[in-house]
Amino acid sequence: GAVVSQHPSWVICKSGTSVKIECRSLDFQATTMFWYRQFPKQSLMLMATSNEGSKATYEQGVEKDKFLINHASLTLSTLTVTSAHPEDSSFYICSAAGTVSNQPQHFGDGTRLSIL
Amino acid sequence: QQQVKQSPQSLIVQKGGISIINCAYENTAFDYFPWYQQFPGKGPALLIAIRPDVSEKKEGRFTISFNKSAKQFSLHIMDSQPGDSATYFCAATSGGAGTYKYIFGTGTRLKVLA
Repeated sequence: GAVVSQHPSWVICKSGTSVKIECRSLDFQATTMFWYRQFPKQSLMLMATSNEGSKATYEQGVEKDKFLINHASLTLSTLTVTSAHPEDSSFYICSAAGTVSNQPQHFGDGTRLSIL
Repeated sequence: QQQVKQSPQSLIVQKGGISIINCAYENTAFDYFPWYQQFPGKGPALLIAIRPDVSEKKEGRFTISFNKSAKQFSLHIMDSQPGDSATYFCAATSGGAGTYKYIFGTGTRLKVLA
């Protein structure tokens, strides 16, 4: 099946630090990538949708300047949490969708972000 | 109208039993309904998916039943095993399988007792 790699899998950093998370589609071209946030025992909350070469579309209530998304190529999207604070601690998951309309989204294994 | 309602919230099944998880939606524009399985600390993995032109789809021990008129769909796990213990999410989307955002259900935590 399609493989989506997310890195790092776990990061701990001090408050005020900016953290970059990478999402790569390893065996297909991802025209669209999605970024989710998941709190413990809850569902996935979509943060933003990014299309290659375009600006990301953010969901209501998600701060664009806080969560910077770049989708510079068909295999890589990045999420940067700027000036992270403890309330940004969460599980962040990306997914990728290919160019074929009948293929589903494939998810990465997530990044556990802990801000001290 | 964009919601997908999932039930039950949690489910305990004996090994070998049948696990059934239900989802309901309102938006008739939805045309793709995937189910994802998620283990702790991992991302969701696609289990099985269905489109509204089919009433049932089976892959191994997993079956989706789809009722278009009732706007409901369900996941059946036959011969449930302890390794099936995970959280299951239904989802719905429109305009193709992956291009547009998924609307996820709230999840069902399944525990299969050995």
